[in-house]
Amino acid sequence: ETGVTQTPRHLVMGMTNKKSLKCEQHLGHNAMYWYKQSAKKPLELMFVYSLEERVENNSVPSRFSPECPNSSHLFLHLHTLQPEDSALYLCASSQVGPGSPGTDTQYFGPGTRLTVL
Amino acid sequence: GQNIDQPTEMTATEGAIVQINCTYQTSGFNGLFWYQQHAGEAPTFLSYNVLDGLEEKGRFSSFLSRSKGYSYLLLKELQMKDSASYLCAVMDSNYQLIWGAGTKLIIKP
Repeated sequence: ETGVTQTPRHLVMGMTNKKSLKCEQHLGHNAMYWYKQSAKKPLELMFVYSLEERVENNSVPSRFSPECPNSSHLFLHLHTLQPEDSALYLCASSQVGPGSPGTDTQYFGPGTRLTVL
Repeated sequence: GQNIDQPTEMTATEGAIVQINCTYQTSGFNGLFWYQQHAGEAPTFLSYNVLDGLEEKGRFSSFLSRSKGYSYLLLKELQMKDSASYLCAVMDSNYQLIWGAGTKLIIKP
């Protein structure tokens, strides 16, 4: 049990659909992250929220829209995706967030396997 | 640019020892992490090294040499359940994590 949950675990959507991924952390952390994981490639950091404020947006296309209503919940809203967006989307949380000194281990959820047709 | 290199895939035998290497070139260094990821599951934290030397945790050990930009993860007494991908990540001078592509470890009976 990682303390970070994600729903749904699997999602198949058409290019014209709108869907949302949900992440919840039960660890009392202040920072949450969205990553994209494609086969044989490093984790790609998409968004970071620290104390519910977005602190990083790594040139992610606007068809991905994050939302962090509170420090325990994180959403990724998807619309008009492309087939190349098919990947495993991982959520993570950490105690303090990037830019803060010290060890800040990230804890991951199980991911949502997204397939765009 | 910043770069983390680790082998794409390794194969080892049950009961044996395997060493997974990671080399890095980053803007500064504030520690190196190893994560284990079973297929279709969350990456889970294994170890963190910030000082040179060997850190032992049961069957797993992690080594760091900052002067060489090098780390390895050593797995002893391999079990079938150790079949997974192992991710190396370095925290740079801005406390941002830079990730390697991962090493897929296959354990054979």
